[in-house]
Amino acid sequence: AQKITQTQPGMFVQEKEAVTLDCTYDTSDPSYGLFWYKQPSSGEMIFLIYQGSYDQQNATEGRYSLNFQKARKSANLVISASQLGDSAMYFCAMREGYPYSSASKIIFGSGTRLSIRP
Amino acid sequence: GAVVSQHPSWVICKSGTSVKIECRSLDFQATTMFWYRQFPKQSLMLMATSNEGSKATYEQGVEKDKFLINHASLTLSTLTVTSAHPEDSSFYICSARRQGLAFVGTEAFFGQGTRLTVV
Repeated sequence: AQKITQTQPGMFVQEKEAVTLDCTYDTSDPSYGLFWYKQPSSGEMIFLIYQGSYDQQNATEGRYSLNFQKARKSANLVISASQLGDSAMYFCAMREGYPYSSASKIIFGSGTRLSIRP
Repeated sequence: GAVVSQHPSWVICKSGTSVKIECRSLDFQATTMFWYRQFPKQSLMLMATSNEGSKATYEQGVEKDKFLINHASLTLSTLTVTSAHPEDSSFYICSARRQGLAFVGTEAFFGQGTRLTVV
């Protein structure tokens, strides 16, 4: 079964508008972490934002914020004031288990291709 | 910030030959490294987890004898694609976890990836 689900294969957004990329996850582990990565055409993985399952507040990093709704198991990425350089693939990812566990690994969703229109 | 270097960035090889991809953590010790495979326009699929000094743990469906992983030191893991075939053509990305730190936020460092083309 899919553990990370991104239902938007592609999105087009006008420059300077805000955009929300959806992510839902499935885990029975009470301790987990959620990540968002950006992958431009060059292929590198750029870390954007992280949310721990026990974090009380939604994570924010500059123009990125994570709308964490634990009961609904969703972790949507919000990009405010989109820019042309935001055009890329975006992946939601999850680490299950205690963050210090040696068995931790990160698994990825299918991704959303975001295209910003000038 | 911590850097993970992956080499080569791209490689073209003939069918039937073997290819080795290196993943190095340049300024930290990595007890664990991860190898992912990404087909065009698809997600990153975890292939295996590599721990220094022990055998790699492969994900279900990944052929151990085809994708040989060696993690001989705290700064180097290698992935060897043996007897490569055109269907092995893909983008391979490594990720390193810094020794002793919680696996949160920025503590998952990725290499720049290797594009393998088998002809």
